Amino acid sequence: DQQVKQNSPSLSVQEGRISILNCDYTNSMFDYFLWYKKYPAEGPTFLISISSIKDKNEDGRFTVFLNKSAKHLSLHIVPSQPGDSAVYFCAAKGAGGTSYGKLTFGQGTILTVHP
Amino acid sequence: SQTIHQWPATLVQPVGSPLSLECTVEGTSNPNLYWYRQAAGRGLQLLFYSVGIGQISSEVPQNLSASRPQDRQFILSSKKLLLSDSGFYLCAWTKWKGQGATKNIQYFGAGTRLSVL
Repeated sequence: DQQVKQNSPSLSVQEGRISILNCDYTNSMFDYFLWYKKYPAEGPTFLISISSIKDKNEDGRFTVFLNKSAKHLSLHIVPSQPGDSAVYFCAAKGAGGTSYGKLTFGQGTILTVHP
Repeated sequence: SQTIHQWPATLVQPVGSPLSLECTVEGTSNPNLYWYRQAAGRGLQLLFYSVGIGQISSEVPQNLSASRPQDRQFILSSKKLLLSDSGFYLCAWTKWKGQGATKNIQYFGAGTRLSVL
């Protein structure tokens, strides 16, 4: 049962344009969402996050949008740069103390930004 | 600042051999610790997590085990490796018992690429 899904395995974007990465979830008990960026043979690095009580969070070129009614979140990168080329994972955390901070990850989307 | 170390970076092991991967965290105390595996072309699968010394929870049945002998040390082991154990293993920590939104963020090590032949 895939509770967090990234339905696009890959995305190709021209440098300077907007990159939009999407993520859907099924568990309405998730209360915190995160995006990670991963280069080959390295561990994921935290990028940006959003609490379920918000619908938007912005950090420089990165903005995450949350639509709770649709159980959908997206990551916008504007403008996209070649150095943004990586695998992007969305992740979700369950609510309550018994979650112990566990995250459920999507399958990842490979972003390629062309010069 | 906090750092997380994983070793070795790469490991090639024959089927049936034992395994021991180590993860240590510096600059924090009483973290929650996690072991993930990323199989080829797949997402990150949580294998084990630990909320304290000697406390291990398993997320999926498998050929692996985990131990936490010290507060900031997390070890992934196997007595006999299978071909299906090949993958990229990642250790992560979080200050889950802390305050604020940062307690929700997991920080990852560089990972270990395990090839079982």
